[in-house]
Amino acid sequence: QKEVEQNSGPLSVPEGAIASLNCTYSDRGSQSFFWYRQYSGKSPELIMSIYSNGDKEDGRFTAQLNKASQYVSLLIRDSQPSDSATYLCAVKLSGGSEKLVFGKGTKLTVNP
Amino acid sequence: NAGVTQTPKFQVLKTGQSMTLQCAQDMNHNSMYWYRQDPGMGLRLIYYSASEGTTDKGEVPNGYNVSRLNKREFSLRLESAAPSQTSVYFCALHPPAATEAFFGQGTRLTVV
Repeated sequence: QKEVEQNSGPLSVPEGAIASLNCTYSDRGSQSFFWYRQYSGKSPELIMSIYSNGDKEDGRFTAQLNKASQYVSLLIRDSQPSDSATYLCAVKLSGGSEKLVFGKGTKLTVNP
Repeated sequence: NAGVTQTPKFQVLKTGQSMTLQCAQDMNHNSMYWYRQDPGMGLRLIYYSASEGTTDKGEVPNGYNVSRLNKREFSLRLESAAPSQTSVYFCALHPPAATEAFFGQGTRLTVV
C-alpha cells in the first residue's frame, strides 16, 4: 500500500508568519505531487503542483520537492487568516497509473 | 464547482438500502474519480475510471460499484448501505499534467 504522510496538526501560526507544511511519500517512482487546500465544508481545490526537484513559487506559496528524500513541502509566506484551512498533500502513483494517494491533511489556523 | 456536477448533496439511508451517486462532467476529460472523506482521514480513492468503459479499484472499493457508460458520467452505487459508509463523497477530475483539478460539490451521506 503506497502511503503519503503529513505532519500531524493542527498547526497554528500568527498572521504574517511563514507556515510550513510537510509531506513524505513511500512510492519512490512517483513523479507528480500536488497540494490541495480545503476549507471547512467545501471541496478541495488544487493550489500547487510540482514535478521536478527544487522549489516552485506561486505568489505567497512555495512548493519544495526532494525526490531522493521522498519529501515535499509547502511554504506559505505572509500567512493570512484566509489561509486557515486543511492542506492535503497528494502523490500520483508510478507505473502509468492515474491514481492519486492523499495524505490525511494538516489543519492550519492563522491567528490575526 | 464548474464542470463537475455531483448529486445529491445530502442523503440519509437506512442500513441495507441502496442508492446511486451521480457525477457528470462537461470538460471532456478521460479520467474520473470517486473519493470518500472521513474526519481526519484525508481523501481515499474508492474507484477511478481512466476512460469510457473502464474502471479500476482504489484503496477502499469494498461495498461499492461504479459505472462509466459514457465519457461524461461516472456513477457510484451502494448496493446495501452500512453505517461504515457514512462519509462525504467527492467526484473529481485530475487532468494529466494538471494545473487544475475539478471536484464536485460533495455528497454528505449518513447511513443509520
